[in-house]
Amino acid sequence: GQQLNQSPQSMFIQEGEDVSMNCTSSSIFNTWLWYKQDPGEGPVLLIALYKAGELTSNGRLTAQFGITRKDSFLNISASIPSDVGIYFCAGQLNGGSQGNLIFGKGTKLSVKP
Amino acid sequence: NAGVTQTPKFRVLKTGQSMTLLCAQDMNHEYMYWYRQDPGMGLRLIHYSVGEGTTAKGEVPDGYNVSRLKKQNFLLGLESAAPSQTSVYFCASSYSRGSIGYTFGSGTRLTVV
Repeated sequence: GQQLNQSPQSMFIQEGEDVSMNCTSSSIFNTWLWYKQDPGEGPVLLIALYKAGELTSNGRLTAQFGITRKDSFLNISASIPSDVGIYFCAGQLNGGSQGNLIFGKGTKLSVKP
Repeated sequence: NAGVTQTPKFRVLKTGQSMTLLCAQDMNHEYMYWYRQDPGMGLRLIHYSVGEGTTAKGEVPDGYNVSRLKKQNFLLGLESAAPSQTSVYFCASSYSRGSIGYTFGSGTRLTVV
């Protein structure tokens, strides 16, 4: 099936540092979503993107819908300990209005105080 | 509103035993999904439903059955549990197929010994 390549797989950073992660695909997507999963919980939607080039912020988080529509990026500024968790990208294929979301394998973020 | 509720939260089964995981949503969502999450594998779709009385296979359906007799409930059954089914199971629901994003439950951690 279709795959999203999410990188990096894991990150160990110092509190206060900025974080960047991305998802890429060989296919064109018409929707990109970013989720965060806290330890022991289900994923929670952070940001939704619907247009190529769109840049959307949610507090210290900023996500972008790539111009080619084949990628998306998530940045976290000035990380804090509660940013720890697994971040998933998800997308809906272009022309796939009847299709399910496709999920990346996740980026595990660890923050050292 | 509770959102998406999964029961039980934890379960240990012996190989060959059967069980049913229950997912209930109170958001009047049409679409419901069952995922399994394994380390390094991300979220893999087991089965999904596009409305009451409907079910469809996802990426990894073997060994599982589902039923959607009522709109608010989506049941996942394991007829004869195997150690390979040890995983964390997440239920999700959505108003539309993908564009608005899914609401996830908090998961069921299943161990098959």
